[in-house]
Amino acid sequence: ETGVTQTPRHLVMGMTNKKSLKCEQHLGHNAMYWYKQSAKKPLELMFVYSLEERVENNSVPSRFSPECPNSSHLFLHLHTLQPEDSALYLCASSQDLAANTEAFFGQGTRLTVV
Amino acid sequence: AQRVTQPEKLLSVFKGAPVELKCNYSYSGSPELFWYVQYSRQRLQLLLRHISRESIKGFTADLNKGETSFHLKKPFAQEEDSAMYYCALKDKAGGYNKLIFGAGTRLAVHP
Repeated sequence: ETGVTQTPRHLVMGMTNKKSLKCEQHLGHNAMYWYKQSAKKPLELMFVYSLEERVENNSVPSRFSPECPNSSHLFLHLHTLQPEDSALYLCASSQDLAANTEAFFGQGTRLTVV
Repeated sequence: AQRVTQPEKLLSVFKGAPVELKCNYSYSGSPELFWYVQYSRQRLQLLLRHISRESIKGFTADLNKGETSFHLKKPFAQEEDSAMYYCALKDKAGGYNKLIFGAGTRLAVHP
């Protein structure tokens, strides 16, 4: 599939579980992002990666741990989450951070913490 | 602080009626604004950007720096326009670009 692909699409996990969200892009982009979309709230930027280097950690709790092994893949490792972490997690990519470029989004992972 | 405000959570209109989705922003520099759209069961995607001054699917948006607004307009709404619409501001602080989104407005176009 072209564009930005996120797996899984849905995830239910207990508060003591450890799980990972995966994002993959085959657009040749150098920048990737994690956003959190909670009900009735703006999309919140969580992490920004450029050329596999993290450039922003937007005051995100340490129970969320990102990993960018290469410019095509981005992971979000989850552990000991809270019910309020239930949300839609969106991955996005763009050509780079400096130019006026469009952000392409994945379809998201709907996370439910029980 | 950089902020995007979309005051309406839901905008409900009949087919053929004009539509205006409001967006106001707060930004200390020269703003760059976008509208993103999310149709049912589809991913969030770019609809238009202010620097392009383009009309996409009949939608236009004009940046008004005096009123710090970037409202999205369409003269005649269609049922297929029903979706979530997000206004976004490009924040260039820190030497790199990132998007700050509003909370979104759901547009419902009824037959």
